Amino acid sequence: GAVVSQHPSWVICKSGTSVKIECRSLDFQATTMFWYRQFPKQSLMLMATSNEGSKATYEQGVEKDKFLINHASLTLSTLTVTSAHPEDSSFYICSARRLALFEQYFGPGTRLTVT
Amino acid sequence: KNEVEQSPQNLTAQEGEFITINCSYSVGISALHWLQQHPGGGIVSLFMLSSGKKKHGRLIATINIQEKHSSLHITASHPRDSAVYICAVNSPNSGGSNYKLTFGKGTLLTVNP
Repeated sequence: GAVVSQHPSWVICKSGTSVKIECRSLDFQATTMFWYRQFPKQSLMLMATSNEGSKATYEQGVEKDKFLINHASLTLSTLTVTSAHPEDSSFYICSARRLALFEQYFGPGTRLTVT
Repeated sequence: KNEVEQSPQNLTAQEGEFITINCSYSVGISALHWLQQHPGGGIVSLFMLSSGKKKHGRLIATINIQEKHSSLHITASHPRDSAVYICAVNSPNSGGSNYKLTFGKGTLLTVNP
């Protein structure tokens, strides 16, 4: 089956620093990757849609200068949280869409804690 | 009203029971997904449906396009099935892409031994 990995699985950083999260599709090519954020006991909130080789499309209310997304290849997308703030502490999940149809596969998530 | 509604929000069952979780949606869809999220966060895609019925092990998912309704069934439930089950749909959005997912709020299932 299709596998999506995320790295790191958890990270603690200090306020003001930047953190990069990687999302990789391990055994398929993903033209589109999605980045989600999830607060405790809430559903996933789409942050942005990332297409290989082009700029990401951000959802309303998501600061593109704060959450930098790069989709440099068909198997890798990165989310960089810049100038991290305690309010950015959350669970970040990526998903990758296969070239065919609507199949989407989710990564295991990254728990970010900003102190 | 949310575009994707799940019921029940919480469900407690005894091991071995047959479980049904329901999902209703109000928009036209291209596909419907059932996802599982265990405590600790990782999400697993269980099914993707556009019509009919799919079965995988003890899990069965059905969809009725005319009624805009899907069900997820778990037969012979087990404590390890305890998780949040999330229904999500692909539907066309204003941006023209129909690959974005709209999520239900999830159903927390607890199966007691």
